[in-house]
Amino acid sequence: QKEVEQNSGPLSVPEGAIASLNCTYSDRGSQSFFWYRQYSGKSPELIMFIYSNGDKEDGRFTAQLNKASQYVSLLIRDSQPSDSATYLCAVRYNNNDMRFGAGTRLTVKP
Amino acid sequence: DTGVSQNPRHKITKRGQNVTFRCDPISEHNRLYWYRQTLGQGPEFLTYFQNEAQLEKSRLLSDRFSAERPKGSFSTLEIQRTEQGDSAMYLCASSQTGGKYEQYFGPGTRLTVT
Repeated sequence: QKEVEQNSGPLSVPEGAIASLNCTYSDRGSQSFFWYRQYSGKSPELIMFIYSNGDKEDGRFTAQLNKASQYVSLLIRDSQPSDSATYLCAVRYNNNDMRFGAGTRLTVKP
Repeated sequence: DTGVSQNPRHKITKRGQNVTFRCDPISEHNRLYWYRQTLGQGPEFLTYFQNEAQLEKSRLLSDRFSAERPKGSFSTLEIQRTEQGDSAMYLCASSQTGGKYEQYFGPGTRLTVT
């Protein structure tokens, strides 16, 4: 069974803090890893993807991948109230099957 | 630059009726995906096309669901004899081949079955 697990939250951080979102996956054959942001009532928006072990930075966002531990995380630096949303972790397998976690709801308090 | 578009954005139908949704992918993308999302859950994969070929279908996709992509451009998802459990957001995404398979989502069609 290919599972993607996320803490549902809510995760609450003060404005300007670092938000840390975590995701684990069950299948070692996983190829690619994605983070989507979803505002209430809207569709998912791709914000980061990572394929190799280590860190990948894009502006205030850093994705971290550890394939040995089957763990991927997203760090949001200098969190803003506009970052308040649900963050979905997605894992792609080699047959193009992409599985999503249930998402972590983040609230950034002014 | 246009993204993925979906129509209609909202659909209310009575149980037992048939509904059809349309998705227009990003123009250079030859892969198209359909997902279903219910409240508090992540999107669940339904089916996937590469050009006009439907390459994969989830076990979630019962016989009442059918999808087409006749000319490898837009796609339609039809649900026959709708049930209240079909109420959900239906999302379409597209991606390129030869890249890293990043999928970009449309705005979704919210279906309510009464």
